[in-house]
Amino acid sequence: KAGVTQTPRYLIKTRGQQVTLSCSPISGHRSVSWYQQTPGQGLQFLFEYFSETQRNKGNFPGRFSGRQFSNSRSEMNVSTLELGDSALYLCASSPQDRANTQYFGPGTRLTVL
Amino acid sequence: AQTVTQSQPEMSVQEAETVTLSCTYDTSESDYYLFWYKQPPSRQMILVIRQEAYKQQNATENRFSVNFQKAAKSFSLKISDSQLGDAAMYFCASGETSGSRLTFGEGTQLTVNP
Repeated sequence: KAGVTQTPRYLIKTRGQQVTLSCSPISGHRSVSWYQQTPGQGLQFLFEYFSETQRNKGNFPGRFSGRQFSNSRSEMNVSTLELGDSALYLCASSPQDRANTQYFGPGTRLTVL
Repeated sequence: AQTVTQSQPEMSVQEAETVTLSCTYDTSESDYYLFWYKQPPSRQMILVIRQEAYKQQNATENRFSVNFQKAAKSFSLKISDSQLGDAAMYFCASGETSGSRLTFGEGTQLTVNP
């Protein structure tokens, strides 16, 4: 099976802009989670989607949002970008029979100038 | 809420030797899962090993094994016969039985010396 794919892999934006990141889970996986990784804060959970519904949400401002489509693909959107949003954004998918075990994509490196 | 602590920011090991990475955690959940992930320079997070908290037996995956001490809330990773390809950042993580949210530790950077 193909792994989790994320696009784009690298992105450069300026403050105030918005950005959309995409994630395609492993075939058959219906749960998709997003994480932010920064040198200062480490790995932090953003949100999880299952069957097009947000099932869990981390402690991030409302500028961070997401959605999931009927084919389980997910998008994450960040509006009004701030310098502190520069990070590696990781997407992970989980199979139904092992919902707590996550398989990660290669990440999207976002740089905000 | 869950917390995970890795007290060793950096570790090094000689090729072919054994190294143990430490992790402690805290959780209010009665049932949970623990994981070790590896993140090489490519930044791809790779699942190394998974432990179900209700199982007494320590998980093993080839050269990787864990020492799970539930009462002490300790979950260490032992890498035997270390290889150059094992060099990476290693993250300990805990997860709830419901949902897919993981809580990660700060990471341990492992260097393997030839």
